[in-house]
Amino acid sequence: KAGVTQTPRYLIKTRGQQVTLSCSPISGHRSVSWYQQTPGQGLQFLFEYFSETQRNKGNFPGRFSGRQFSNSRSEMNVSTLELGDSALYLCASSWTGDQGYGYTFGSGTRLTVV
Amino acid sequence: AQKITQTQPGMFVQEKEAVTLDCTYDTSDPSYGLFWYKQPSSGEMIFLIYQGSYDQQNATEGRYSLNFQKARKSANLVISASQLGDSAMYFCAMRLKAAGNKLTFGGGTRVLVKP
Repeated sequence: KAGVTQTPRYLIKTRGQQVTLSCSPISGHRSVSWYQQTPGQGLQFLFEYFSETQRNKGNFPGRFSGRQFSNSRSEMNVSTLELGDSALYLCASSWTGDQGYGYTFGSGTRLTVV
Repeated sequence: AQKITQTQPGMFVQEKEAVTLDCTYDTSDPSYGLFWYKQPSSGEMIFLIYQGSYDQQNATEGRYSLNFQKARKSANLVISASQLGDSAMYFCAMRLKAAGNKLTFGGGTRVLVKP
């Protein structure tokens, strides 16, 4: 069973540009969540998508947005990049069932803004 | 609001010895789940162990066990027989039933296993 795939693995962008990150969840998982990890703020929840709808949102400015497609793949977009957006962006594919629930994370996209 | 606290920023452990990583949480929600993840330098978050708030028994998964003390709101991870490959960051996380699939993470503990 394939894991969670995040592309690209590394990205360097210039301040003011925009960036799109992609996450393909485990087949059959309908929920995808995104997290930002920085040395200063740690791991912070960005948003969650379920069946193409944003179900939950963290405390981030509107420059951070996302979407989910009918095949459950998700993208997140950051517009007007700032130096502080440099981070590891992780996505998590989650499942819920009779056995409970769980999360599988991708390897992340490491974004550097210069 | 929910909060997870990991008070040990870093620790050394001798190979083959056991190590306990502390995690305390704060929530008024009676239904929640607690997770431990390992993050090696590659960045991927690797699931280790899970404990539900209504579980009567402490969770165990191989060399990992969770010391769940509900009244104290603590969920400490115990790694037995440490191996060099256990060197990594370890994160405690909580999911509230009321918050959907959102995970709240602690600040993490860096573990270095010495040969």
